[in-house]
Amino acid sequence: GQNIDQPTEMTATEGAIVQINCTYQTSGFNGLFWYQQHAGEAPTFLSYNVLDGLEEKGRFSSFLSRSKGYSYLLLKELQMKDSASYLCAPRSYNTDKLIFGTGTRLQVFP
Amino acid sequence: SAVISQKPSRDICQRGTSLTIQCQVDSQVTMMFWYRQQPGQSLTLIATANQGSEATYESGFVIDKFPISRPNLTFSTLTVSNMSPEDSSIYLCSVQGVYTGELFFGEGSRLTVL
Repeated sequence: GQNIDQPTEMTATEGAIVQINCTYQTSGFNGLFWYQQHAGEAPTFLSYNVLDGLEEKGRFSSFLSRSKGYSYLLLKELQMKDSASYLCAPRSYNTDKLIFGTGTRLQVFP
Repeated sequence: SAVISQKPSRDICQRGTSLTIQCQVDSQVTMMFWYRQQPGQSLTLIATANQGSEATYESGFVIDKFPISRPNLTFSTLTVSNMSPEDSSIYLCSVQGVYTGELFFGEGSRLTVL
C-alpha cells in the first residue's frame, strides 16, 4: 500500500520562498510527481523526480531522497498566482498508478 | 502532451439515477485512469480503464457502482450508478504520458446529486 503525508495548509508572502514537504511509503517506488491545482481547475504537472537530488525548473524546484521516503517542492519568488493546492504523488513500479497525497493548500499574501 | 475532452462538464442529477461521463483523448494512450475529487479533498483513484478488458478497481470502488468502458485507445466512459448525494464530486479522466509517465487530466465533470 501507500502512505503519503504533507501539510494541509501553508501561508507565505509575495516574493518569499516556501518549501512544501512530502513523506511517503510506497511499495516498488518508481518516481514522484508534484502537481499544482488551482481551485475549480484540473491538476497540472509541475515536476518529476526519479533519482535522488534536486530538479530545478524556473521558480520551482523539487527534491527527492528515496532512502528517506522524502520529497519537497520549493517555490521561489512567490507570486499571488501561486496560491493553489500542491499535490505530492509517488508512483508504484508494480502498478504504474499515481496515488495522490491530501495536498497542501498554499495561500500567498501581498 | 495529450488533449483530453470530458463531457458533461457539469450536471445536476436526481437521487437514484445514473450518469455516464465520456472521456476522449486526441491520441492513442496506453494507460487511462478515472479519479474522483470530493469537495475540499485530494484526488482518489477509482480505477484503471483497460482497453478491451474489465477495468481494475481500487479498494472501495466496485464495478456495479462505477462501470467503466474502454472500447479503444482514445475513449473511455465512467458511469456513476444509482446516485446518492454522497456521489456529488468532480470526476476526472486522466491519461499517462509515454515518456515520463506524468498524468494529464481532463477538465473534470462536476456532478451534483440532489
